[in-house]
Parts: sequence; structure tokens; C-alpha cells
Amino acid sequence: DAGVTQSPTHLIKTRGQQVTLRCSPKSGHDTVSWYQQALGQGPQFIFQYYEEEERQRGNFPDRFSGHQFPNYSSELNVNALLLGDSALYLCASSPGQNNSPLHFGNGTRLTVT
Amino acid sequence: QKEVEQNSGPLSVPEGAIASLNCTYSDRGSQSFFWYRQYSGKSPELIMFIYSNGDKEDGRFTAQLNKASQYVSLLIRDSQPSDSATYLCAVIGGYQKVTFGTGTKLQVIP
Repeated sequence: DAGVTQSPTHLIKTRGQQVTLRCSPKSGHDTVSWYQQALGQGPQFIFQYYEEEERQRGNFPDRFSGHQFPNYSSELNVNALLLGDSALYLCASSPGQNNSPLHFGNGTRLTVT
Repeated sequence: QKEVEQNSGPLSVPEGAIASLNCTYSDRGSQSFFWYRQYSGKSPELIMFIYSNGDKEDGRFTAQLNKASQYVSLLIRDSQPSDSATYLCAVIGGYQKVTFGTGTKLQVIP
């Protein structure tokens, strides 16, 4: 039973470019959440997708957008990259039931130069 | 006031001792509480979850919850060097939003 898978593992981009990160949830999970984790910090909530719609959003600018597909997989897009966007991006999935714990993928390490 | 607060540490304990990690939260409506372990450069791994006041034990780990005091803790008995990691407290509050603390770095000294 595959867990949460993310791609790519590492990514290097230049300031101003755009990036797309991908996530496949754990089997049986239909909710996908994205987090940004800067070095030495806890994960910061970006947004959550359920039934192909953004259900909640954290305090991130509109440069951060996402999508969920009918098979529950998800993408995170970041436009006009800034140096400060360098971080570990974590995807987490959970089943539809309320209060269920999140299961994390291995993350994508994004470096913006 | 931060939504979920943890002491960043590092918390150093000798091998075999009990490590006590603490977390406070601000949203009184929070219903679910989780502890994750994160090794350096890796993603968070779920260790424990607790929904009701009191203690919940799983092997060497015990989670404690006191909703009146808005306090949740994690005890690790017989600490091992392999327990050295950052421990993240996570809370599900309103609208099912999961909020993490900044994490406590634990160092178990052999």
C-alpha cells in the first residue's frame, strides 16, 4: 500500500520563475493539504483540497495556487518565485472523516536562487 | 499569541531517562491533537494522537491532554539515541485546520 508520494524530490529554480509540485495521496485518502516548512520552523499551512475544491487556505499570497484531480492527486503551483520561497514543501493526505491525522509525503525541497 | 506553542529546545536527556515535551494551544474549540517526529531533512512521522482528556499510552510513548488548561504533552520513557529528533505538536482547530507548533528538538545523550 503506497503512502503519500511527492515529486520531484529536489528542485532548483531562479527568482521569477514558476514551479509545479505534485502529490499522490495515500490509498483511501481523499483530502490533500500542502505545507511549507522553512528551516528550523514548523510546517505552515498553505491550503487544503477536498472534492477538487480548495476547502481552506492559510496566509499565503495568490502566487500560491493548487489543484486537485478526480483521482485525488494534487498539484501546488507557485508563480513569480522569490528567494523566500525556498523551503521544504510537504504534501499530506487524510481520509474524509473529521479529525483524522495527516500522513505526510517525503517532501519536495525547493531552492530559489 | 501563537496558535500552537512549543519550547524550541534543545531538550537534552540521558539515555534511559524520561523525556517530557510540552505544547500549549490557543483555540479552545480544538478537538484533536497529534505528535509528529521529524528527523533532520525528513518529513514528519505520526507518533501519537489523542482526542480526550487524560493519558494515552503506546509503547514507550504517552500523550497527555488537558483541555481545560489547553495543554498537551508527550512523554518518552527509556529514551534512546534514535529518539533524537524534532517533535512537532499539531492541533486540529476550527474548520478542520491543522496547525503545527515550531517543534522541540530532543537530544538523547548516550
